[in-house]
Amino acid sequence: DIQMTQSPSSLSASVGDRVTITCRASEAIVTYLNWYQSKPGQAPKLLIYSASTLQSAVPSRFSGSGSGTDFTLTITSLQPDDFATYYCQQSYDSPRITFGGGTKVEIK
Amino acid sequence: QVQLVQSGAELRKPGASVKLSCKTSGYTFTNNYIHWVRQAPGRGLEWMGIVNPSGLSKMYAQNIRGRVTMTRDTSTSTVYMELSNLGSEDTAIYYCARDGGGIREPAYYFDYWGQGSLVTVSS
Repeated sequence: DIQMTQSPSSLSASVGDRVTITCRASEAIVTYLNWYQSKPGQAPKLLIYSASTLQSAVPSRFSGSGSGTDFTLTITSLQPDDFATYYCQQSYDSPRITFGGGTKVEIK
Repeated sequence: QVQLVQSGAELRKPGASVKLSCKTSGYTFTNNYIHWVRQAPGRGLEWMGIVNPSGLSKMYAQNIRGRVTMTRDTSTSTVYMELSNLGSEDTAIYYCARDGGGIREPAYYFDYWGQGSLVTVSS
């Protein structure tokens, strides 16, 4: 299976900060990379699909980039609602899809 | 709006089975595949399987194949996931999620998720 490695595993940031989360695939996955936001007790939320396409109704402060093995999720100005855990997921090797280990964004 | 509403928490003994439901609304049920994903405590997300719009075609993750059955009832727009021979490693939150692709081919990303069902396996 393709391994997805996220970094950092956690970070502390302040409201208004620019935040960057990295996801690396163990082999090339073109742009079959998706990002989700997860909060305790809530349904996870799709943010970005196909590496850089913003899901409908997701704020434009979220953006995704990358191709091949290296991908980035950027939040340009962190808002209080953005404190959550973020996961990447590869859909290249379907149905053997896999997720990253998650990045927890906490309040500094 | 699209909604996936899952059944409540379950407590089972080792060796037992559990059947979870996922009732969908807000879209044409037969237009999208449905996946199941789980998250064990302190662990990452794990894909379990997919069922197609008609319910006739399913594919399961290799590590649970033989223990899992996914079905769907188009009359109630509900999807079910049954997992048998439970062990402590099956303690997790189980999510259903709608595939973001269309009726012809799944995209294997998840555009809407249920709220999750906690399954606890304990003697």
